[in-house]
Amino acid sequence: QSALTQPASVSGSPGQSITISCTGTSSDVGGYNYVSWYQQHPGKVPKLMIYEVSNRPSGISNRFSGSKSGNTASLTISGLQAEDEADYYCSSYTSSSTWVFGGGTKLTVL
Amino acid sequence: EVQLVESGGGLVQPGGSLRLSCAASGFTFSGYSMNWVRQAPGKGLEWVSYIYTSGSTTNYADSVRGRFTTSRDNSKNALYLQMDSLRAEDTAVYYCARIVTVHLDFWGQGILVAVSS
Repeated sequence: QSALTQPASVSGSPGQSITISCTGTSSDVGGYNYVSWYQQHPGKVPKLMIYEVSNRPSGISNRFSGSKSGNTASLTISGLQAEDEADYYCSSYTSSSTWVFGGGTKLTVL
Repeated sequence: EVQLVESGGGLVQPGGSLRLSCAASGFTFSGYSMNWVRQAPGKGLEWVSYIYTSGSTTNYADSVRGRFTTSRDNSKNALYLQMDSLRAEDTAVYYCARIVTVHLDFWGQGILVAVSS
């Protein structure tokens, strides 16, 4: 049950786009279209932003998008806004019927 | 309105036990599988356990298997996490979360468990 690999931090200026990667294995990210992404502001509860690789829950801005290629999933945020500054976690269902999270990426909006 | 409210956290000595509860409301609790997820201070999210709608199937992270037990009482709309043989590394905020397909669409506010002598 090794954690998925995410960059520790990414940054971007308002209006720019950023992409956060999430690398796993064929037993998790690569094996299923069950990657989800969560946003967590400091001291707050995680919030679902993307599910099943590229689907947005109701109410989530279309500035957030997800994709996957092989064992690596990606979250892209376009038109960066100050309110996007948060920690982002990817997660995948696994072949062992468990869940695994990434280590988290801190997004800084410059 | 969907609500998940955790309770039962606190300070416990190493080797001790604690039982967390998660009270669900605003949805048909018996129709959803549930997860427990934890977050150590300043650290990332870690999946802890899963329980099927009926409670007939459970699964655990290797780090807690054999020490933690998850259960539910659908008549009370309640989810539980019995934590035994607690260790310092179990110190974390524990969240209960609702599962839709395999993603976690709603999370409780979390409850702090601190294991220390």
